Amino acid sequence: QKEVEQNSGPLSVPEGAIASLNCTYSDRGSQSFFWYRQYSGKSPELIMFIYSNGDKEDGRFTAQLNKASQYVSLLIRDSQPSDSATYLCAALSNDYKLSFGAGTTVTVRA
Amino acid sequence: IAGITQAPTSQILAAGRRMTLRCTQDMRHNAMYWYRQDLGLGLRLIHYSNTAGTTGKGEVPDGYSVSRANTDDFPLTLASAVPSQTSVYFCASSDYLGPTDTQYFGPGTRLTVL
Repeated sequence: QKEVEQNSGPLSVPEGAIASLNCTYSDRGSQSFFWYRQYSGKSPELIMFIYSNGDKEDGRFTAQLNKASQYVSLLIRDSQPSDSATYLCAALSNDYKLSFGAGTTVTVRA
Repeated sequence: IAGITQAPTSQILAAGRRMTLRCTQDMRHNAMYWYRQDLGLGLRLIHYSNTAGTTGKGEVPDGYSVSRANTDDFPLTLASAVPSQTSVYFCASSDYLGPTDTQYFGPGTRLTVL
């Protein structure tokens, strides 16, 4: 079992809708959590990180963390075709190593 | 500022050959990392270096070696390539080790071992 699990997808949403991505992690000692976006054939790029319980908003993106449930999520509001990509969830361990989930592919339908 | 560069962009390699993937960063970041990305498995850490002169093993280190002679360069060597090492390899770097430590990724090297 991977340390970080993501809903397998693919996820297809209409333009303007909310895309909801989920992630669970097994290491309770994980310090913080990162969401990366990866376009096909490109390298991962950081969207945002979160390390406190609750919500963190950055533009159209909202990350949510629940450490008791070992659960992280990413909401993409007003989804655009340019949001079509694979989204990677990662957990930072106590020794500062990132463990990545396998990713969820999102397609936004125009 | 280029950030992180990797070379080559892609390579087809015969099994048993030795290959070095190059990674250079110009951000003066302390830590550097090598990952491989395989379909359905996500990114897996091969080796890392928290600072120049030190290296450590990640999740999947077998068959790979690294060195960190200076801050900027972190080459990954496959001593004798095998087909299971066919993958996309990403180098990454980060400035410091802390809870908001953000890793920045290079463009990747697509390696095919036949």
